[in-house]
Amino acid sequence: NFMLTQPHSVSESPGKTITISCTRSSGSIASNYVQWYQQRPGSSPTTVIYEDNQRPSGVPGRFSGSIDPSSNSASLTISGLKTEDEADYYCQSYTGGVWVFGSGTKLTVL
Amino acid sequence: EVQLVESGGGLVQPGGSLRLSCAASGYTVSAHSLSWVRQAPEKGLEWVSDISAGGSIYYANSVRGRFTISRDDSKNTVYLHMNPLRPEDTAVYYCARHPFFDFDYWGQGALVTVSS
Repeated sequence: NFMLTQPHSVSESPGKTITISCTRSSGSIASNYVQWYQQRPGSSPTTVIYEDNQRPSGVPGRFSGSIDPSSNSASLTISGLKTEDEADYYCQSYTGGVWVFGSGTKLTVL
Repeated sequence: EVQLVESGGGLVQPGGSLRLSCAASGYTVSAHSLSWVRQAPEKGLEWVSDISAGGSIYYANSVRGRFTISRDDSKNTVYLHMNPLRPEDTAVYYCARHPFFDFDYWGQGALVTVSS
């Protein structure tokens, strides 16, 4: 099995743009879709990006996803940061009957 | 509207057992895969087990041989039987549906505490 490594925390000011990385330890990042979940304190996770770069209905266009095979990583970018974006973010992928979550990134919007 | 409601959590001694239930409404539970995902206190998400629409079953290495996932189509419910439990199994347990690659609906979670 592989691991997905994320930075422990990221902080930025409202209105700015941040990018959270998710690096796959083995196997190609492009071989299985990557999803991103937002989890606010005391709440269940919700999907913000699925299938690498698709946004569910209701998720603002400020959220975007991408993958970079050269660095074997996926990225979640949030532009025009709002205080309501402050939350934990997890990447997730899958291989052969195993679902893997990233280590999680705490986003603080100062 | 799709809803998933977990129940059955509680305090149990190490070596004990517990059965969690995930009652689905708004869709037929046998139509889509469903997983159990847990989150230890102040920790990240950890996938635990999955049952596919066709009935295929998968487990994380950390619980294989101790946990059993099952489904009762007549009750539209998925279960997770946990035995024997260890202190490191202490977590909020979520059930989450995934028709395709993402977990699109999650329950509110059930707290399991393993302590003497």
